[in-house]
Amino acid sequence: QVHLVESGGTLVEPGGSLRLSCAASGFTFSDFYMGWIRQAPGKGLEWISYISGSVTTIKYAESVRGRFTISRDNAKNSLYLQMDSLRVEDTAVYFCARDSGYSGYVFGNWGQGTLVTVSS
Amino acid sequence: DIQMTQSPSTLSASVGDRVTITCRASQSISKWLAWYQQKPGKAPKLLIYEASIVESGVPSRFSGSGSGTEFTLTIGSLQPDDFATYYCQHYYGYFLSFGGGTKVEIE
Repeated sequence: QVHLVESGGTLVEPGGSLRLSCAASGFTFSDFYMGWIRQAPGKGLEWISYISGSVTTIKYAESVRGRFTISRDNAKNSLYLQMDSLRVEDTAVYFCARDSGYSGYVFGNWGQGTLVTVSS
Repeated sequence: DIQMTQSPSTLSASVGDRVTITCRASQSISKWLAWYQQKPGKAPKLLIYEASIVESGVPSRFSGSGSGTEFTLTIGSLQPDDFATYYCQHYYGYFLSFGGGTKVEIE
């Protein structure tokens, strides 16, 4: 079955950088859109970015555009999120998610999340 | 950007109650709306897409309706496993957004 495992979350200082990874298994990775969604402590869900299977379509939320970069390695069944110029308000659990198969923009499978804390 | 507003933010109900959650979009999104359920410390789970299509494996007591700017998620008879937070998400156009969430609590 579909399995998504995020890693890379840690404590980082404001202005710092971090790269999150998401290892996927149980499906043909290159056939699906993948996305990142975050959730600040005690808050709601915020869509961050998505990328198509062929990497022809990439979109970002306004809050991270120009600071975060999504990428994927279909040979390694892996999704990445490069986060630069981190801010305190980027503190959150970051989930990777796979599209549902009905639409690239509906997330049918999620990882367990990885916590990023931005603090001095 | 399209803003999604859910109401209420918190809802107290009892087992067996019929529960309705509303999600409003700041502009028409046609039928491009999904609903998710999230329990504390867990990842969200897809319940409904295209406003009214129930995801495979989701109990039939969950239903969705609406189009344009106003949508509802209904739980026909609330069960103990349903106490959770529910989020709507639009997918009209390239940029996505979620509603603020509705927490369903035990009365």
